[in-house]
Amino acid sequence: DTAVSQTPKYLVTQMGNDKSIKCEQNLGHDTMYWYKQDSKKFLKIMFSYNNKELIINETVPNRFSPKSPDKAHLNLHINSLELGDSAVYFCASSPNLAGGGNEQFFGPGTRLTVL
Amino acid sequence: LAKTTQPISMDSYEGQEVNITCSHNNIATNDYITWYQQFPSQGPRFIIQGYKTKVTNEVASLFIPADRKSSTLSLPRVSLSDTAVYYCLVGPRGGNTGKLIFGQGTTLQVKP
Repeated sequence: DTAVSQTPKYLVTQMGNDKSIKCEQNLGHDTMYWYKQDSKKFLKIMFSYNNKELIINETVPNRFSPKSPDKAHLNLHINSLELGDSAVYFCASSPNLAGGGNEQFFGPGTRLTVL
Repeated sequence: LAKTTQPISMDSYEGQEVNITCSHNNIATNDYITWYQQFPSQGPRFIIQGYKTKVTNEVASLFIPADRKSSTLSLPRVSLSDTAVYYCLVGPRGGNTGKLIFGQGTTLQVKP
């Protein structure tokens, strides 16, 4: 049973397109996150949601719009894709808000390639 | 969130003990030290967490000196399957997520 799942695993698209990545967790956690991992392996948080409410938006362009229909799902929609958006995007969850000291459970990642 | 510094890469051989040190000079009183492991094409996964002294589980040990300005992840008798990136993360439990930045991590390459 997958705890945190993401779809799709790979996403190849053209510049200017709009795409979505879906995330679901079956752990009953209150908090979910989106991270971006660049080619140098830096893993940086983009958003965090707690009980469907946006908590953190870390200076992410407004082309990125997360949406949480319920606390088990956190989807990421990206408008007008740019070359620099190419990266691996990870969804994660934790029992409650993690200040770095709470265990987070990560999904398998979505590799986005913008051509 | 306290900034962490780790070596970018390390090499080891099968059967050896590997120690990866993380510096966190600005660690706050309520911060915990957490290590994650990331295999290629997978998401990071939690390995171990500690606050002070020593913590051991079935995967690793974590050594934290009294001043807590650094920590050392110890992997006993590594195998090829321990080849991964290891991230050190420092922060409080709960509360504001703040700037959760995992940094660049330490890429461990285990050779036969």
